[in-house]
Amino acid sequence: NAGVTQTPKFRILKIGQSMTLQCTQDMNHNYMYWYRQDPGMGLKLIYYSVGAGITDKGEVPNGYNVSRSTTEDFPLRLELAAPSQTSVYFCASISQSSGNTIYFGEGSWLTVV
Amino acid sequence: AQSVTQLGSHVSVSEGALVLLRCNYSSSVPPYLFWYVQYPNQGLQLLLKYTTGATLVKGINGFEAEFKKSETSFHLTKPSAHMSDAAEYFCAVTLNNAGNMLTFGGGTRLMVKP
Repeated sequence: NAGVTQTPKFRILKIGQSMTLQCTQDMNHNYMYWYRQDPGMGLKLIYYSVGAGITDKGEVPNGYNVSRSTTEDFPLRLELAAPSQTSVYFCASISQSSGNTIYFGEGSWLTVV
Repeated sequence: AQSVTQLGSHVSVSEGALVLLRCNYSSSVPPYLFWYVQYPNQGLQLLLKYTTGATLVKGINGFEAEFKKSETSFHLTKPSAHMSDAAEYFCAVTLNNAGNMLTFGGGTRLMVKP
């Protein structure tokens, strides 16, 4: 039972580069989320999805894009990396059958230089 | 819309002392409430949750929290702190309509002194 899997765990990007953070869950959850966590701060919602083919903006969506072609996968795309996007990124999914318990991936540490 | 406020971004206690981490929420409908713990350079781990039923909820590692509707609070407690409890703790809320967004508090860093 893998749960929520994120890759890569660590990445250093140069300003202006693009990359995709991968997120996969094997629990058949409809709801998936991307959060970022800045040093000493709480988690801010970037994008979320309530099911395959449906995505919506969260609190801090600028500079990011997402897609949800399948129930399992919810990749996060950074098109033109900026230093302000240096952060830890967490993918998560919710189990509606267990009281909206949220399951987190282990995080992706991204540094933009 | 819902919101969460954690009072105190840093809390320091001595080993063996009571741990009290405060969380207040605002919600237009009955909420689901959660506490998560994050150890350095790791992801978030569920400590405990309140959905319905008993308002005193027991979690892992000896932690518990009590849902007090009249005070809109969900404070986290542990009778006796251990050095291994040093971590960041996050309170979170979602509404009881399934799949709503989880809203996090700003986090409280717990430090445990020997």
